[in-house]
Amino acid sequence: DTGVSQNPRHKITKRGQNVTFRCDPISEHNRLYWYRQTLGQGPEFLTYFQNEAQLEKSRLLSDRFSAERPKGSFSTLEIQRTEQGDSAMYLCASSSTGVGDSPLHFGNGTRLTVT
Amino acid sequence: AQTVTQSQPEMSVQEAETVTLSCTYDTSESDYYLFWYKQPPSRQMILVIRQEAYKQQNATENRFSVNFQKAAKSFSLKISDSQLGDAAMYFCAYYGSNYKLTFGKGTLLTVNP
Repeated sequence: DTGVSQNPRHKITKRGQNVTFRCDPISEHNRLYWYRQTLGQGPEFLTYFQNEAQLEKSRLLSDRFSAERPKGSFSTLEIQRTEQGDSAMYLCASSSTGVGDSPLHFGNGTRLTVT
Repeated sequence: AQTVTQSQPEMSVQEAETVTLSCTYDTSESDYYLFWYKQPPSRQMILVIRQEAYKQQNATENRFSVNFQKAAKSFSLKISDSQLGDAAMYFCAYYGSNYKLTFGKGTLLTVNP
């Protein structure tokens, strides 16, 4: 169990640019989640996958946001035409299905700063 | 939709003392899970303790224990013998039939030496 890995740790970009983040879940976990966390707030749900299928998207996820999980392994979160309001910590988490459902394991996050 | 409320934005405790963090939630479901996560500054979110709603017995993990009151929809976290390393943001979270965690806004815990 190497944990959930997120890259990059930090990203600074100019408004209007596109950015892409990557998340590698714990290998046997089939559920993968993306959350957004702003300073002093709790994480807010963005979207989640079960294997390669994206099962739910939050209303927070505007058309500029897209997430993929090809082959049910790693996931990417892309933000197009970034805005200053997109500045936040983007957290990835994974879990496995089964009896009792496992708790979510979180990565270290990607901190995005849009200037 | 489920909501989670943490009414204490900040709490402080003296080292070796006991502190209780409050959490209430709203749901119409009968089967769900509740969690407390700890997030140290600039560090990873870590699971502290978990409670299944169908279990009446309160969960305990070493110095951490919960007081789960299902009828009152209350889920408080007690930290005994507080240590400097316990200083962090603590989040209460609900997990139900929609397979996702809903978090409260968090309580910032300071531990004074």
